[in-house]
Amino acid sequence: GENVEQHPSTLSVQEGDSAVIKCTYSDSASNYFPWYKQELGKGPQLIIDIRSNVGEKKDQRIAVTLNKTAKHFSLHITETQPEDSAVYFCAAGGSQGNLIFGKGTKLSVKP
Amino acid sequence: KAGVTQTPRYLIKTRGQQVTLSCSPISGHRSVSWYQQTPGQGLQFLFEYFSETQRNKGNFPGRFSGRQFSNSRSEMNVSTLELGDSALYLCASSPTGGALSNQPQHFGDGTRLSIL
Repeated sequence: GENVEQHPSTLSVQEGDSAVIKCTYSDSASNYFPWYKQELGKGPQLIIDIRSNVGEKKDQRIAVTLNKTAKHFSLHITETQPEDSAVYFCAAGGSQGNLIFGKGTKLSVKP
Repeated sequence: KAGVTQTPRYLIKTRGQQVTLSCSPISGHRSVSWYQQTPGQGLQFLFEYFSETQRNKGNFPGRFSGRQFSNSRSEMNVSTLELGDSALYLCASSPTGGALSNQPQHFGDGTRLSIL
C-alpha cells in the first residue's frame, strides 16, 4: 500500500545550526509533497510544499528538495531558532485525494 | 480569512456512547477531509467529502461516518465508542481536492476525544 517513511524520529540541534529531515514514499503516482509543523495543542500547519515538476523550492530559511526517481524528498531548515522546535511531518498526495503522512520528527532547538 | 474551525476542542465520553464532531472549512473550500491522529499510528485518513458526497474513504470500520452540508460544513460521527477511539480528530479543507490532488490541505486544531 501507499507508505511514507520519515527519518529521524527525533533531532536535536543547537540554535543557528541547520536541520535536515528526510522522507521516502512508495507510490510513484504521487505528485504533491507538503510539509507540516505541529506545535503542542495545535493542528498541523502547512509550512512549505513542492510539486513533482519542481526539484527544489525555498522560502526564507526553509527549503525542500525532491528526487522523483529515487522517491525521496527532504526538508532543510537553516539558522534554526528555538521557535522552530516542534514536530514536523512530511506527506505525499495519495490516490484517494488524501495525504499519506510520515510518523513525524520531533525537532528540539537548544538556545 | 478565517481558518478551519473545529468544535468542540475537547470531549470525554464512555465506551458504547456515540459522538459528533463538527468542522467548518475555510470560506470557499469545498473539500473536507478527516484524519485521526494517535501516538502509535500517527495521522490516518478517515474520509473526504465534496459537494455533500463522500468521495473517498480510508480503512476505518463503519462505526466512523460523516456528512457534509450544502455550505461545505462537515460533521463526523463515531458510534459505539471503544477505548481505542481516543485520539485527536483533525479536519482539513482544500478548494476542490480529489484523487492525486496537488492542492494544499489546511488543518484545524482538532477535537481531542477521550474515551473512559
